[in-house]
Amino acid sequence: EPEVTQTPSHQVTQMGQEVILRCVPISNHLYFYWYRQILGQKVEFLVSFYNNEISEKSEIFDDQFSVERPDGSNFTLKIRSTKLEDSAMYFCASSAGGNEKLFFGSGTQLSVL
Amino acid sequence: GENVEQHPSTLSVQEGDSAVIKCTYSDSASNYFPWYKQELGKGPQLIIDIRSNVGEKKDQRIAVTLNKTAKHFSLHITETQPEDSAVYFCAALLGGNTPLVFGKGTRLSVIA
Repeated sequence: EPEVTQTPSHQVTQMGQEVILRCVPISNHLYFYWYRQILGQKVEFLVSFYNNEISEKSEIFDDQFSVERPDGSNFTLKIRSTKLEDSAMYFCASSAGGNEKLFFGSGTQLSVL
Repeated sequence: GENVEQHPSTLSVQEGDSAVIKCTYSDSASNYFPWYKQELGKGPQLIIDIRSNVGEKKDQRIAVTLNKTAKHFSLHITETQPEDSAVYFCAALLGGNTPLVFGKGTRLSVIA
């Protein structure tokens, strides 16, 4: 069964450092998303991406965040200068058509020290 | 924007019993309501969904009911098994470009 894959599964970084979280969406999907989950809290929307541009972004997704689809298979989330409060599980998701029936990856646990 | 509340936060049931998880949403224009199951170390997996033009949907041991008037929807799991143990999330979608909004999750433990 096709799945969304994310790397790395865990990332530890120092405050102020840049991190790049990587995702390979399901191959025939056209819509891509990043969500995050701070421990014990809701799964929160960060950004959606379609047709090589951002469709929607939340208030969390400020100038420190960026997304890119550098080639036909990868979808990345970059945090330019990490803060302690960026520590969370980051989930990538993809869908074949719009904001329904999202398929999620296993997540990247980001720890900012 | 949309807000989704989910209860309970934890639920323990005996194997074979039923489990019910409830969610409420704030925006009456929301029209799509999925349920996700998250097992340890994995991402959320879609298990069932319902649209606003339907009151109930069933898939083997799981079912979802929707009450549009009251703006709430529920997940029902019958004949629970230990492998049903996981965190379950409800979500609501307003439509257009707006993203899925998730509830806080329910940790279900099925005790053998």
